[in-house]
Formats: sequence, structure tokens, C-alpha cells
Amino acid sequence: KNEVEQSPQNLTAQEGEFITINCSYSVGISALHWLQQHPGGGIVSLFMLSSGKKKHGRLIATINIQEKHSSLHITASHPRDSAVYICAAPSGGGADGLTFGKGTHLIIQP
Amino acid sequence: DADVTQTPRNRITKTGKRIMLECSQTKGHDRMYWYRQDPGLGLRLIYYSFDVKDINKGEISDGYSVSRQAQAKFSLSLESAIPNQTALYFCATSEDRGFGYTFGSGTRLTVV
Repeated sequence: KNEVEQSPQNLTAQEGEFITINCSYSVGISALHWLQQHPGGGIVSLFMLSSGKKKHGRLIATINIQEKHSSLHITASHPRDSAVYICAAPSGGGADGLTFGKGTHLIIQP
Repeated sequence: DADVTQTPRNRITKTGKRIMLECSQTKGHDRMYWYRQDPGLGLRLIYYSFDVKDINKGEISDGYSVSRQAQAKFSLSLESAIPNQTALYFCATSEDRGFGYTFGSGTRLTVV
């Protein structure tokens, strides 16, 4: 079964700062997922990536398959980026579904 | 309307009661999942289904059962609710292995 670790668990930054959230996993995968959970609780899929880099607006996700590591970056952070960011990888071991990291609670202060 | 709809959004129930959480989707996806989220823990898989005849246990299925009434509907039941089943429950769908997931808005369940 895949194990997914995220860091940091909590991050507080000032508006405009460049944010990096890290994710590592233990078992080789086909694709890694980055998700966003707002205080209301709903979960939105941000990225699914299997190699290289993807960009959407101010969000950039990168993955290094050989090192089993992915990062989520936020450029020019804004208070509306405050949320919990979660990475998830296929569970592996013959099971379907995802194994999730515990999440990074991000607060962007004005 | 949302692609994946969960009902109810919030529920408080008493220990020992049977409760059903419902999930319906308009994505046309075959794969559906139930996860629970507890503070400080990642989401954990309860059950998943590939179609109406294919139901599989996840890592924490004890105390839960599911029903896939149609491709679009997947219900989670707590046969006899207990306080440690207090959690946020999410339904999710996926087109196939290796595809993205769509999540419902979650059901916040409190067992007192």
C-alpha cells in the first residue's frame, strides 16, 4: 500500500509570497493528484500529473517520478488561496482508490 | 446542479441508530467511492464500486455497508452508529483507473 507524506502540515505566509508544499510517496505510481479543500469542506481536484510540470493560473505542480516526490507551488499568493491542500496517490497493492496525505493547512495573511 | 451530490449535508444521530448517506452523480462514471475524513488524518477509503454488481471493501469497511442501486447512485449505511463514526464523509467518482476524481460536497455526520 502506498504511503503519502506531506510537508509542512501548517503554513502561514504573507500575501504575495511564493508558496511550496511538498509530497512524497512510497510506491511507484501512474499519476499523482493535488486537491484543494476550502473551510466549507468541499474538495476540488487541482491537478493530476504523471510527469514534468502542470500550470493553472498561479498554481504549478511538478513531479519527479524517479524520486517519488511532487511539489505544489503558488505564485503571488493571495488570502483566497487559504485552504487545505492535499496530495493523493493510487493506493497500489491491487486496491483501487487513492491514498491521501494528511493535508497542508495554508493561511495567507493580507 | 453539482456533478456529485451528497445528501444530507449535515446529520446528527444517536448511538445505535441506522443511518444512510446518499450519493448521486451525473458524470456517467462507473467508479464510485466512499471516503471518511477525520481531523489530523487523511481521507480513508470505506468502500468502492466499479459497477452495480461489483462492490469492494476499502481499508476501513467495518461497521459500514453500501448499496449501488444504479450507475448513478451509491449509498453508504451505518448499521448501528457509534460515536467514533463521527466524521466528514465524501463520495467520489472516477471514469476509470488513472483518471481524475470528482468529489461531492461531503456529509458531516455526528453520532451522539
